[in-house]
Amino acid sequence: SQQGEEDPQALSIQEGENATMNCSYKTSINNLQWYRQNSGRGLVHLILIRSNEREKHSGRLRVTLDTSKKSSSLLITASRAADTASYFCAPNYGGSQGNLIFGKGTKLSVKP
Amino acid sequence: SQTIHQWPATLVQPVGSPLSLECTVEGTSNPNLYWYRQAAGRGLQLLFYSVGIGQISSEVPQNLSASRPQDRQFILSSKKLLLSDSGFYLCAWSQGQGGQPQHFGDGTRLSIL
Repeated sequence: SQQGEEDPQALSIQEGENATMNCSYKTSINNLQWYRQNSGRGLVHLILIRSNEREKHSGRLRVTLDTSKKSSSLLITASRAADTASYFCAPNYGGSQGNLIFGKGTKLSVKP
Repeated sequence: SQTIHQWPATLVQPVGSPLSLECTVEGTSNPNLYWYRQAAGRGLQLLFYSVGIGQISSEVPQNLSASRPQDRQFILSSKKLLLSDSGFYLCAWSQGQGGQPQHFGDGTRLSIL
């Protein structure tokens, strides 16, 4: 399968701590995207990082990409209870349809 | 701004009954449209995608079908539901060339009895 594989499957931290989630993929990508899903809701796009980029920031989110290791990480700094959600990475391998291959996600629980 | 609507939010259907889930997008034209299914504790499985009216590509052979009768309308159907069709169905759209961010509706929780 070419889906992204998130690690860990579940993560529980205290409010204020940093949360790091990792993603590994199989072959060369055009870009890699991270999404958040609150329980019972649709996914929300967080960040897109292109294959020629190594790091990207958006607010408290920091994404890194290591194409030599075929891996990416999502760091959430100073976490809040509202960050409790599942986080998915989705590699894009190209093609005109732009299909994303979603993994099973990391379930993050931030305790107040 | 663009919005995506999915309905119904929840649905309980008996085995063997038909299904029709609808998704509409507003505020954009010629979007790519997607149907996904998410089983409990699992990732998203792409079922169908469409790059234009009447153009449907199926990713997984099964008893579901999709149609795109209008530019911003995407319908997921079944003639006879199976127990295995239970799940959380999500519609999404993206714009432009492949690989652009996808924007999701709030999903339909389908339970088959």
